[in-house]
Amino acid sequence: AQSVTQLDSQVPVFEEAPVELRCNYSSSVSVYLFWYVQYPNQGLQLLLKYLSGSTLVKGINGFEAEFNKSQTSFHLRKPSVHISDTAEYFCAVSDLYRDDKIIFGKGTRLHILP
Amino acid sequence: GAGVSQSPSNKVTEKGKDVELRCDPISGHTALYWYRQSLGQGLEFLIYFQGNSAPDKSGLPSDRFSAERTGGSVSTLTIQRTQQEDSAVYLCASSLGGRGFAGMNIQYFGAGTRLSVL
Repeated sequence: AQSVTQLDSQVPVFEEAPVELRCNYSSSVSVYLFWYVQYPNQGLQLLLKYLSGSTLVKGINGFEAEFNKSQTSFHLRKPSVHISDTAEYFCAVSDLYRDDKIIFGKGTRLHILP
Repeated sequence: GAGVSQSPSNKVTEKGKDVELRCDPISGHTALYWYRQSLGQGLEFLIYFQGNSAPDKSGLPSDRFSAERTGGSVSTLTIQRTQQEDSAVYLCASSLGGRGFAGMNIQYFGAGTRLSVL
């Protein structure tokens, strides 16, 4: 069975500093990986996805993530955060052969400090 | 185009009452999902509809929870005899759906219904 672990429930970071949100997954089959973002009082929206090909994936708002198969990780990074990045970030995985069902992590709340 | 629409946006109810939450997916999306988001618990899968197939109910926490999807479009999540632990944000998502879409089953989420059981 697949599972997703987001190691940090909250991450505080100063504005304009870099940030990394960690995500590890477990699966016995090949997977697709996603990061979703949830701004306050809104639903989730897709930030970026890894399906195949280059392991470095670029998403919206300057975020990127790197798929590392050997470490079963898909960490999210941004070189310089802005106050508008304050949100909750969810890592998710789906089975290559069952890509209609996505398993979400518990989320990481990103706090941007002025 | 219109996104996923959920109503009501907020619902306050008394313990023991039944509630119905509505989800109107994106037109043309055959897959529909319900999730529950509780504080500190992340996103909990509840139920999944795909076309005319039998729904995947594996995430429903108890038999007080049920959902239906009429005409392959609008879905209603019903919680009977609500309990305080049912208080959460209930999120609906839809996608193009079906297997063999090579990972293109991006889920589009509604803004959710915040349920408070007093």
